[in-house]
Amino acid sequence: DAGVIQSPRHEVTEMGQEVTLRCKPISGHNSLFWYRQTMMRGLELLIYFNNNVPIDDSGMPEDRFSAKMPNASFSTLKIQPSEPRDSAVYFCASRGVIGTDTQYFGPGTRLTVL
Amino acid sequence: AQSVAQPEDQVNVAEGNPLTVKCTYSVSGNPYLFWYVQYPNRGLQFLLKYITGDNLVKGSYGFEAEFNKSQTSFHLKKPSALVSDSALYFCAVRYAGNMLTFGGGTRLMVKP
Repeated sequence: DAGVIQSPRHEVTEMGQEVTLRCKPISGHNSLFWYRQTMMRGLELLIYFNNNVPIDDSGMPEDRFSAKMPNASFSTLKIQPSEPRDSAVYFCASRGVIGTDTQYFGPGTRLTVL
Repeated sequence: AQSVAQPEDQVNVAEGNPLTVKCTYSVSGNPYLFWYVQYPNRGLQFLLKYITGDNLVKGSYGFEAEFNKSQTSFHLKKPSALVSDSALYFCAVRYAGNMLTFGGGTRLMVKP
């Protein structure tokens, strides 16, 4: 099992550019979560999908952020336009069917917006 | 609203000594509690969880946690610390059926 896969691992971009982060959940998992980690705010849940459908996006900071899950094996988190305050580590996590409870995290994408 | 508090930003312990990383929680209903560990430049790794049953939960790498309902606590423990246990530890509580709220994290430093 390859675990949760995220790409890229590091991204450096300039303010105003579009950024797309990618996630492949563990095969067979039906829930997917996007988190952001910063020193100031810790770990924040951005959005949560169940069976490819967004269930709770209340953590998405603003309209510049969007997330999609076109199928069970792929999700994207897009920031357009990016700003320096978006610099953070973005994690994707997946979870099996309800009742298993445990979320498994990917290695994260470290985003730096200059 | 649910919340998790980890009152210590850092815990220092000598190798071979017991360690405790503290966590208290607030959530409606029965708590589902988790501990994760994060090594530098890595994602979070699941250590253990409490769902129901025995208040002492055993997890990976020799860690265990004790659920205390009256004190709303879920402290992480290990009888004998290793230098390799040095990492960032997060406590989390499940809410709304499927989501996790994390504490701010505690950095564990184990010195030789």
